[in-house]
Amino acid sequence: AQTVTQSQPEMSVQEAETVTLSCTYDTSESDYYLFWYKQPPSRQMILVIRQEAYKQQNATENRFSVNFQKAAKSFSLKISDSQLGDAAMYFCAYRTAQGLTFGEGTQLTVNP
Amino acid sequence: NAGVTQTPKFQVLKTGQSMTLQCAQDMNHEYMSWYRQDPGMGLRLIHYSVGAGITDQGEVPNGYNVSRSTTEDFPLRLLSAAPSQTSVYFCASSRVQGFYGYTFGSGTRLTVV
Repeated sequence: AQTVTQSQPEMSVQEAETVTLSCTYDTSESDYYLFWYKQPPSRQMILVIRQEAYKQQNATENRFSVNFQKAAKSFSLKISDSQLGDAAMYFCAYRTAQGLTFGEGTQLTVNP
Repeated sequence: NAGVTQTPKFQVLKTGQSMTLQCAQDMNHEYMSWYRQDPGMGLRLIHYSVGAGITDQGEVPNGYNVSRSTTEDFPLRLLSAAPSQTSVYFCASSRVQGFYGYTFGSGTRLTVV
């Protein structure tokens, strides 16, 4: 079974700075899909970014980008020019045939 | 386009009571699923459905039932509530087997006393 690990329960960043959230996973599959979700205090789960394993190029969505290292099974999220609205819980997730397997989450605080 | 709608948003139950959490989506998604979120554990899959009339168990199915009579609706039933079922519950749906991610409802916070 696939597992997802987020080793940073909490992170903080200064407004306008860059922060990187870590995620590692374990799988025996060669082709798969990974996601980062954001959960603000409103509780809503918001899809931030998606990566297809067979694509070598790292996904980018505006200020959000990933560093996907397939051999190392690592999938980190970089947030550039951090904004107060980025403060949230961030979850890394792995797509399985049944649904999503989530990591434990990283609580991100953005300091003004 | 409402997306995924969950009701209720909050609920308090007494131990042993039963209830149904409602979930409806208007995106014609084939895949629907239920997750529970507990502190420090992320979200865990309870049950899922790949289409009307087809359901299966996820990682933590005990104490919960589901059915899928239509594409739009996927209710979650708690048979006899226990304090261990105190959690936040999310319904999610997707197209194309989740390759593009899942759309989540706004969640139900359930407290069992």
